[in-house]
Parts: sequence; C-alpha cells; structure tokens
Amino acid sequence: SQTIHQWPATLVQPVGSPLSLECTVEGTSNPNLYWYRQAAGRGLQLLFYSVGIGQISSEVPQNLSASRPQDRQFILSSKKLLLSDSGFYLCAWSVGAGKETQYFGPGTRLLVL
Amino acid sequence: AQKVTQAQTEISVVEKEDVTLDCVYETRDTTYYLFWYKQPPSGELVFLIRRNSFDEQNEISGRYSWNFQKSTSSFNFTITASQVVDSAVYFCALSEFRWGGTSYGKLTFGQGTILTVHP
Repeated sequence: SQTIHQWPATLVQPVGSPLSLECTVEGTSNPNLYWYRQAAGRGLQLLFYSVGIGQISSEVPQNLSASRPQDRQFILSSKKLLLSDSGFYLCAWSVGAGKETQYFGPGTRLLVL
Repeated sequence: AQKVTQAQTEISVVEKEDVTLDCVYETRDTTYYLFWYKQPPSGELVFLIRRNSFDEQNEISGRYSWNFQKSTSSFNFTITASQVVDSAVYFCALSEFRWGGTSYGKLTFGQGTILTVHP
C-alpha cells in the first residue's frame, strides 16, 4: 500500500532563514505530487504541483520554490522566510488513469518568528 | 474560474444527531470531480469520497451519505447518528480537467466547515 511521509512535523524558524521541507511517497511510481499551504487552520491553497522528475508548476507567485529530484520525492524550499510563510504545509500525491484523487501526508507546521 | 462554497462555518451538534454539511460549487467544465475530505485535529486530510459529474447517483457508506444534485450545483454530505469522533473540519473540493479531459489534479477547496459533536 502507498504511504506518504513529511518531515519535519513541526518547525520554528526566524524571519530571513532558509527552509527545506521534504515529502516522500512509498509504494507507487510516477505519481503527481502537490504542495499545499493551509493558513489559520482553514482553506487550502495549492502552491506547486509536479507531474514528473524535474517538472514543477507554480500556482502562486511567492518566495517559495519546489523541486522534484526523484520520482517520489518533493521538496519545498525558501531562501529567506517571511512572517507570512507561517502555516500548515501539506504534501499530496495522486496516481491512476486520471490521477484525480489526491491523498495527503501528515503535514508540517511552520512558525516563522 | 472554479469556486467551492461551504456556507456553514461551524456546526455544533449533540451526539446521535444527524447533521448535513452543505457544498455549492461553480465550474465551466462539463466534466469534473467532487470530493469530500475530513481533517481531524491531527491535521492530516483524510479522503472520504469522490463523485464524477456524470454520475448523480447518491452514495451511502455506513453513517455517511452524499447527495449530488447537478441542477443546483450542490454536493451535500450527511452524517447520521453523529459521534464525537466525527468532530473535525470537513472540506468539499472540486477538480479541474485539462489535457483532453484528463485531470492534472488541481483541487479547488471550500473554506471548510468545523463540526463539533458534543457527548
């Protein structure tokens, strides 16, 4: 069966520091991968999605970036964090004919001080 | 543009009551998918159901049931005999279609409904 991992689970970072969040999927191949951010415990906003290694599409312009160095690895990065980057970051994957259904990881809570 | 509206911000019920969560959507696509996810206090989103736009048959899974009405662009979720463990934030979502009818998976989420079930 497929599983998805995210780390770290929680992170407290000062403004201006770099960021690296990692997401890995097990038990599947060639998944679509997604990064979402959830602010203030409510609605989810799609940040990036990837349909294959090295292929990244950005949905929202910001100081974040994403990379997919391996088929089942998705990394979210920032060179300099802003206060507004605080939130709950969720990684998701989808597979299958249309890859419609997304399954989410446990998330990373990021607090920027 | 796609839009999902969950007008109920918070709902509070007592255990064993039935509760319906409303979801109204907007899309120009003729083919699309609708979803419900549950987010318990732990934070992880749990997939509950996917419904195709061309299948308006209602679905029941244990205490959960879903009512899809294309004519009113609604996809409501009912929990029968609610339990404390049902307390969570529930999200309705809509999937876009691209690439000749295939979805690349972009989901548009509603703002969520906080459900609290009291013992």
